[in-house]
Amino acid sequence: GAVVSQHPSRVICKSGTSVKIECRSLDFQATTMFWYRQFPKQSLMLMATSNEGSKATYEQGVEKDKFLINHASLTLSTLTVTSAHPEDSSFYICSAAGTGGSSNQPQHFGDGTRLSIL
Amino acid sequence: AQSVTQPDIHITVSEGASLELRCNYSYGATPYLFWYVQSPGQGLQLLLKYFSGDTLVQGIKGFEAEFKRSQSSFNLRKPSVHWSDAAEYFCAVRAGVTGGGNKLTFGTGTQLKVEL
Repeated sequence: GAVVSQHPSRVICKSGTSVKIECRSLDFQATTMFWYRQFPKQSLMLMATSNEGSKATYEQGVEKDKFLINHASLTLSTLTVTSAHPEDSSFYICSAAGTGGSSNQPQHFGDGTRLSIL
Repeated sequence: AQSVTQPDIHITVSEGASLELRCNYSYGATPYLFWYVQSPGQGLQLLLKYFSGDTLVQGIKGFEAEFKRSQSSFNLRKPSVHWSDAAEYFCAVRAGVTGGGNKLTFGTGTQLKVEL
């Protein structure tokens, strides 16, 4: 149980392109989803917290107009990297926490998306 | 704000040997603590978690961790390491019920190498 699917697993595109990454909770409903960015050989840095039906909360230093987050249902959140540039190349990982008493729900992670901007 | 320190960036052990990965946290109240494992190019898999109660928690794949409040530590252990345990291990802390919701703070990770 508690499977999170992230798609696509890898994206290579030209500078200036917008890229959408999907995060789905397959067998549970997720009130909250999280988006992380991970640079090579580094830890995960939280970018934003996404709550179903409301605006995402972005961490300090993360451009909300650059990284658009939509959490339209209890099983789907999307991250769109708008007008991507080479410095946006990174490994993006989503996670989801279930609805059952949110304080005791661990985060379950997707397999990540490797984004490469040429 | 909470923080996590994993003092060891790299650890190498022989297959069959015991393992201990260190984790120290900083948080004013009782934290929620987690250990995750990440294989190359993949997401994170939850190994175990501590919320309350028994300070020795058992996880998947034969791992366990012990919460020691006096030392602000949550070290991960395994009595006999298998070659398939080679991966990156992350300790994470989360504020409790009233402290900021589900937001996790991760340590910098420990890369485990297993020698055959």
